[in-house]
Amino acid sequence: AQTVTQSQPEMSVQEAETVTLSCTYDTSENNYYLFWYKQPPSRQMILVIRQEAYKQQNATENRFSVNFQKAAKSFSLKISDSQLGDTAMYFCALPIITGANNLFFGTGTRLTVYSL
Amino acid sequence: EPEVTQTPSHQVTQMGQEVILRCVPISNHLYFYWYRQILGQKVEFLVSFYNNEISEKSEIFDDQFSVERPDGSNFTLKIRSTKLEDSAMYFCASSILSASSGNTIYFGEGSWLTVV
Repeated sequence: AQTVTQSQPEMSVQEAETVTLSCTYDTSENNYYLFWYKQPPSRQMILVIRQEAYKQQNATENRFSVNFQKAAKSFSLKISDSQLGDTAMYFCALPIITGANNLFFGTGTRLTVYSL
Repeated sequence: EPEVTQTPSHQVTQMGQEVILRCVPISNHLYFYWYRQILGQKVEFLVSFYNNEISEKSEIFDDQFSVERPDGSNFTLKIRSTKLEDSAMYFCASSILSASSGNTIYFGEGSWLTVV
């Protein structure tokens, strides 16, 4: 069965510092996509970054990057130069099975960025 | 930038009443979804809709739920007889193609339903 595990319920980081949020998953599929979504206090779900499993290169979007370890089924999110606006819940997600249209979400990590 | 819009943003209803949540997906998208997030919990898939019919649904999506695309733009979720445990944030989402193909699912800002 597919699972998505986010083992850090809460994390905090000082402004301008770097933080890494972990996500591990289990899937029987060989080719799949992984996503990180952000949910700020406004509660809207916003895509942060996505990774294609068959690509070895880690995805990067500005200050956000992933460390994708396919063999270990690990998909961590690194936020560099953290900003106050990064304060949010972060959810890791992947489609449950190939051909499925929906996403299966982890339980989330609440990130708080505090000022210097 | 195109976005998914949802109405109402917040609705309070009495137990046993019918509720209709409305959504306008992004115009060129073909897949539509409803997700639910009970307060403090993770986001859960309810149903996906493609080509004017349900393509997938979860165990949560029982007979009291239904979806409809009454015209070319709206996508609705109906809860026939609300229960207290239906209190949650309901997210509408859409994507051009399926998430398993790597297509981003874009979420609306959510409709917060409170059943009293």
